Amino acid sequence: EAGVTQSPTHLIKTRGQQATLRCSPISGHTSVYWYQQALGLGLQFLLWYDEGEERNRGNFPPRFSGRQFPNYSSELNVNALELEDSALYLCASRRLGDPHYGYTFGSGTRLTVV
Amino acid sequence: SQQGEEDPQALSIQEGENATMNCSYKTSINNLQWYRQNSGRGLVHLILIRSNEREKHSGRLRVTLDTSKKSSSLLITASRAADTASYFCATAETSYDKVIFGPGTSLSVIP
Repeated sequence: EAGVTQSPTHLIKTRGQQATLRCSPISGHTSVYWYQQALGLGLQFLLWYDEGEERNRGNFPPRFSGRQFPNYSSELNVNALELEDSALYLCASRRLGDPHYGYTFGSGTRLTVV
Repeated sequence: SQQGEEDPQALSIQEGENATMNCSYKTSINNLQWYRQNSGRGLVHLILIRSNEREKHSGRLRVTLDTSKKSSSLLITASRAADTASYFCATAETSYDKVIFGPGTSLSVIP
């Protein structure tokens, strides 16, 4: 079974640009979660999608947005990039009908804003 | 905030010793999970303990949960150099909710 895949692995953008990060969940998983891990900090919850809808959102500005496609893959978009957006962005998936199992994480996209 | 907080922030032990990490949280939870992260890569789910469970084992891992004290501990027995990683606890208020992660404990196992 393929795991959660994220692309690209690394992304370098200039301040003010837009970044698009992609995530493909494990087959059969309908929920996708996005987390930001800035250097030296813990994981901050960004967004949760399930069945194509945004279910919950963390304390991030509106320039962080995303969507989930009919095949349950997901995109995270960050507009008007700022230097402090540099971080590892992790995507995780879960089958919502299995509440007693943890997340499966991808390896992340390391975004560097210069 | 329901965010868990791990203690200690960093731990260094010799190979073969046991490592104990603690996690405290603030609100009622449905479950508590422990994850491992190697060198800034993706997280690996280690174990999930439900709020009505007190102890759970998985290989060399032992997790306890004390809901009255709002705390959990992760014990790694007979540690190996490969156990060197950051360990995070994460809590969920409901069975279908997102999980919130603590800041993590950095474990170094010296060969």
